[in-house]
Amino acid sequence: DAGVIQSPRHEVTEMGQEVTLRCKPISGHDYLFWYRQTMMRGLELLIYFNNNVPIDDSGMPEDRFSAKMPNASFSTLKIQPSEPRDSAVYFCANTSPGANVLTFGAGSRLTVL
Amino acid sequence: QQQVKQSPQSLIVQKGGISIINCAYENTAFDYFPWYQQFPGKGPALLIAIRPDVSEKKEGRFTISFNKSAKQFSLHIMDSQPGDSATYFCAADYGGSQGNLIFGKGTKLSVKP
Repeated sequence: DAGVIQSPRHEVTEMGQEVTLRCKPISGHDYLFWYRQTMMRGLELLIYFNNNVPIDDSGMPEDRFSAKMPNASFSTLKIQPSEPRDSAVYFCANTSPGANVLTFGAGSRLTVL
Repeated sequence: QQQVKQSPQSLIVQKGGISIINCAYENTAFDYFPWYQQFPGKGPALLIAIRPDVSEKKEGRFTISFNKSAKQFSLHIMDSQPGDSATYFCAADYGGSQGNLIFGKGTKLSVKP
């Protein structure tokens, strides 16, 4: 298994533009998490899904952020419109049922100018 | 808000020395305490974990010490090597959360040759 695959690895965009980050989770792992990492705030949970259904989105900072999981093999995190303070590394992670172990992707580094 | 407080923020150790990173938690419902290791450009990966029914767990050069009454746990890296240079995150979880970990803010460890 190739693990959790994220794209793009790096994204540089201008303020006001739409950003879409993508995640291909590990097959058969039912829980999918989106985290944001910054120097100031560390790792923050944004949202997580179970069997493609959003369970807790209380970490999503604003309405500008949205996440979808249309099927078990794909999830997106969208920021529209983007702002400089959204600059961070965004991680997608998986766990399997009954397991506490998070398997992270390599992350998407977003820079909003 | 549930928190896990981690210290120090950064740590410099000579090769062969002992690296010690400390964490404290508030919620007594937590029953799983993992440590994650993150190398530059990579996602965090599980290093070692402990449950509160034991006071210590050792895996190779890495040891978790757990003090339930003080609500503290720590990571010890014996015989630290330059290859151990990374950011380390402690985390806490409780039964049934399915991987919704509460992370500390991380400690950047540099091991000097």
